[in-house]
Amino acid sequence: KQEVTQIPAALSVPEGENLVLNCSFTDSAIYNLQWFRQDPGKGLTSLLLIQSSQREQTSGRLNASLDKSSGRSTLYIAASQPGDSATYLCAVSSVGKIIFGKGTRLHILP
Amino acid sequence: GAGVSQTPSNKVTEKGKYVELRCDPISGHTALYWYRQSLGQGPEFLIYFQGTGAADDSGLPNDRFFAVRPEGSVSTLKIQRTERGDSAVYLCASSLRGTVSGANVLTFGAGSRLTVL
Repeated sequence: KQEVTQIPAALSVPEGENLVLNCSFTDSAIYNLQWFRQDPGKGLTSLLLIQSSQREQTSGRLNASLDKSSGRSTLYIAASQPGDSATYLCAVSSVGKIIFGKGTRLHILP
Repeated sequence: GAGVSQTPSNKVTEKGKYVELRCDPISGHTALYWYRQSLGQGPEFLIYFQGTGAADDSGLPNDRFFAVRPEGSVSTLKIQRTERGDSAVYLCASSLRGTVSGANVLTFGAGSRLTVL
């Protein structure tokens, strides 16, 4: 059974810092891994998708890496801004379903 | 449509009542997913449709929960004899293809918040 864990559960950093969010999964037989952002009371917005054959994806200040063999992914956010404050969720696509972690609540201090 | 639409956005009901939640996916998306999210938790998988058929319904918590997608587009999640523990945000997502496609980006709706009194 696939399990997805995100560490830390919550993180507060001053504006301008670079930061890393972690995601681990127990079953390496995945099709892809996605990172999402969720603002309070809102739905999820897809940030990056890494296919199982890829090692990283970049979009603007965001960079996501995937090490399938070790069951790990990281989301790197450069030069953080107050508008980055949200919950970040990773989701792993396996046969038949997509499993989410519990998320990391990120707060960027102005 | 341009995005995934879910109705109602909020539903308050009494324990024991029947509830239907509707999801209208992006036009042309063959895969549709239902998730349930409780406060402070990640989305919990309920059911996944590929076309009209439920490809995986292993996440439905019990037989009070049922979902249909009769024409391969709109889906309805049905909850019978609601209980207070069913209170959560029910999220729907769609993708162009199912999970066997490595490039299947999920697009989520804003969710339906269900409160059972």
